[in-house]
Amino acid sequence: EDQVTQSPEALRLQEGESSSLNCSYTVSGLRGLFWYRQDPGKGPEFLFTLYSAGEEKEKERLKATLTKKESFLHITAPKPEDSATYLCAVQDTGGFKTIFGAGTRLFVKA
Amino acid sequence: NAGVTQTPKFRILKIGQSMTLQCTQDMNHNYMYWYRQDPGMGLKLIYYSVGAGITDKGEVPNGYNVSRSTTEDFPLRLELAAPSQTSVYFCASSPRTGPEQYFGPGTRLTVT
Repeated sequence: EDQVTQSPEALRLQEGESSSLNCSYTVSGLRGLFWYRQDPGKGPEFLFTLYSAGEEKEKERLKATLTKKESFLHITAPKPEDSATYLCAVQDTGGFKTIFGAGTRLFVKA
Repeated sequence: NAGVTQTPKFRILKIGQSMTLQCTQDMNHNYMYWYRQDPGMGLKLIYYSVGAGITDKGEVPNGYNVSRSTTEDFPLRLELAAPSQTSVYFCASSPRTGPEQYFGPGTRLTVT
């Protein structure tokens, strides 16, 4: 059964304090691993898709990496506006169903 | 472009009532999805559609129905609402060319 586990549940950082969010996954065949950002009261916003182990993608202060069992979202020198819930999801090669993790709530204090 | 729009934003239902959550996308995406999001839980797929006239069940379809008569619209029907259906509902769409999904702003539903 496909499964996605994110850790930690919540992360509190000072502005400028770099850190990483973890996403562990189990899937029979990986079509893609996705990272989304979700602000309170809004729908998830697409950030990255990673397709194979060793792949990396960057956007501003965010960098996503992928191994065969997990993905990391690295946040470099975060700012208060990076505060949000970050969701990880996987889609297997069998179809269109996407499995989401519960998310990591990130708080960045000025 | 408006992207994915959902109506209503908020709704309170009494147990046993029915309602339809509306979802429209203007990106000409083939694939559309309905999710529910409960506090502390990941998004759970209710139903999805790969094109007009084609729908299929997701992880948690019980108590819901969908239809897809056009590319743009994908309404979700709740029959005989129950307190367990209190949740935030998100509609999403994705293009044929890529698996990433684009989400609407959500509908917060309370059943009392």
